[in-house]
Amino acid sequence: GEDVEQSLFLSVREGDSSVINCTYTDSSSTYLYWYKQEPGAGLQLLTYIFSNMDMKQDQRLTVLLNKKDKHLSLRIADTQTGDSAIYFCAEKALRSYNTDKLIFGTGTRLQVFP
Amino acid sequence: KAGVTQTPRYLIKTRGQQVTLSCSPISGHRSVSWYQQTPGQGLQFLFEYFSETQRNKGNFPGRFSGRQFSNSRSEMNVSTLELGDSALYLCASSTGQANTEAFFGQGTRLTVV
Repeated sequence: GEDVEQSLFLSVREGDSSVINCTYTDSSSTYLYWYKQEPGAGLQLLTYIFSNMDMKQDQRLTVLLNKKDKHLSLRIADTQTGDSAIYFCAEKALRSYNTDKLIFGTGTRLQVFP
Repeated sequence: KAGVTQTPRYLIKTRGQQVTLSCSPISGHRSVSWYQQTPGQGLQFLFEYFSETQRNKGNFPGRFSGRQFSNSRSEMNVSTLELGDSALYLCASSTGQANTEAFFGQGTRLTVV
């Protein structure tokens, strides 16, 4: 089935690391994405990982994938107030090969305080 | 390179009316997908168009329809608007190949009164 879950809120102090977690149920997922949404805005693609990878790092962002547990995480190092937003994970399933349909999680609201 | 452009940004309509939203994808992209975002349901897939053909559809009533033109621009239409159609409608653009990212527009905020 198609189901992607995330915790709703995360609050961190500026300068600390943030870890946003996501679980998915479709074992055929090929690509897993992280999007950021600021108030009143669309979705900004942050990074993505292919399902045959365990980790991907891009500047302050680190994505970890545990395919056995169907668990995906996004770590933001040195979190800044500008990182305050809603973060969505999304999956693209193998059976959706001939389509760009994404299944989104519920979103995690990250609040960064001074 | 221009991003994904959605028009209008904001729209207020009355119950029973119909509405048309527009999306211009990134130049060279041939796939356009539409999503509805509401506080209660989150991000829900509406449909996807590739080379003027609908190739996937979500679980929405027939009041929701779309089309794609030869220049890859897409429109979605909602007829007989209901209060529950109030949402942010997001359009995503991609090349249409299997292993590519999807880039989103700023969305159209539709309010039905």
